[in-house]
Order: sequence, then C-alpha cells, then structure tokens
Amino acid sequence: GQQVMQIPQYQHVQEGEDFTTYCNSSTTLSNIQWYKQRPGGHPVFLIQLVKSGEVKKQKRLTFQFGEAKKNSSLHITATQTTDVGTYFCAGELTGANSKLTFGKGITLSVRP
Amino acid sequence: NAGVMQNPRHLVRRRGQEARLRCSPMKGHSHVYWYRQLPEEGLKFMVYLQKENIIDESGMPKERFSAEFPKEGPSILRIQQVVRGDSAAYFCASSLQVSEKLFFGSGTQLSVL
Repeated sequence: GQQVMQIPQYQHVQEGEDFTTYCNSSTTLSNIQWYKQRPGGHPVFLIQLVKSGEVKKQKRLTFQFGEAKKNSSLHITATQTTDVGTYFCAGELTGANSKLTFGKGITLSVRP
Repeated sequence: NAGVMQNPRHLVRRRGQEARLRCSPMKGHSHVYWYRQLPEEGLKFMVYLQKENIIDESGMPKERFSAEFPKEGPSILRIQQVVRGDSAAYFCASSLQVSEKLFFGSGTQLSVL
C-alpha cells in the first residue's frame, strides 16, 4: 500500500540552529499537508502544497513540494523552544478518495 | 465557532466491554475522518465518512469496529468487545471540502484494562 515515510523519528537541535526534515512517498501525491502536534495535544494544520515544485513560507518555516510530487521538505530557520513538537507530513494519493496517509512524524526537541 | 469536539477525553473500559467515541465536526463540515494513534506512532487512518455515508473504511478492522455519521448528531466510532490492543488515542477530524485541510479534535484516550 501507499507509504509516507519520515526519517529519522527524532531530532535534537540547539536553539538558534536551523532544522530540515524530509517526507518521502512511494507513489505520486496529489497534494501534501504538514501538521504539528505538541506533546499531549492534537495535530494542527500547518500548510498544504499542491503544485509540483511549490514553495511556501510561514515566518521561519519553509515548505517545499518536490518536482515529482513524491517528496516534501520542511525547513525551520533559527529554531526556538516554541518549535518543539512532532511534525507530520500527510499525503493524498492521486485519484484517491481524499484519504490522507500520515507519516510517523519527526519529534523535534530544542535545547535552550 | 467551536472546533471539532470529541468526547469523552478519556475512556476506561474492561476487556469485553463496548467503547463509544463521539465526534461533532466543525459547523458546516460534512466530511469526518477517524484516526488512531499509538505512542510514538503516526496517525493511522481508520474511516472516512460523509453525512450518512461511509466513503472509505479501508483502515478499520472488519470485526468489532464500526462507524456512523447520522444525519443528525455526532459521528460515532464504536468498538465492541474491546481488547487491550485497542488502547490508543483516537482522533476525529473534519474538513469543509474534499482534499482540504483537516481540523482535529482533542482526541479520546481509550484505556482497556
């Protein structure tokens, strides 16, 4: 079946460092979404990417959709302690009936 | 404008009992999704419903699990004869249109003793 992969599952950074994580799909996606879940919380929508090669920015966060629409990246510039949480990517398979497949997420910890 | 409401937040059941998890989507949303999350795991898709219809239940075990989204009232995820392996956080999400962003509820943490 369709898989959405996020490796590694954990990353630790020093506050102020940049952070990049990747999301890879075994199949072409119609769109990809990113969510953030704080410890003990629920996933919160961050962004949706639809077009091949699309880049979107939200303050210190930059999201990119690969040209082949099979991978995506999230880059955080100058991490802050408020960036702590688990970041999930979720892909919708082309032609699927709106079912999002989530990756296992990457849990980011930031040392102050 | 209330968000997605799930209740209860915590549910404790003994093996063999039934668990009923409720989800009221955001106002105006007719697309409801149920996901299950285990510690240090991602969100595993269970079922997608659109007002009175099950669109995709490919992620839901065929036995003991059922879901509904009636014309009136919340969506219900029902687990019959619970076993310890059913212990997990169950999240409901809703969207306004197909393929749009999901709004998640706070989840129901099910613990089976």
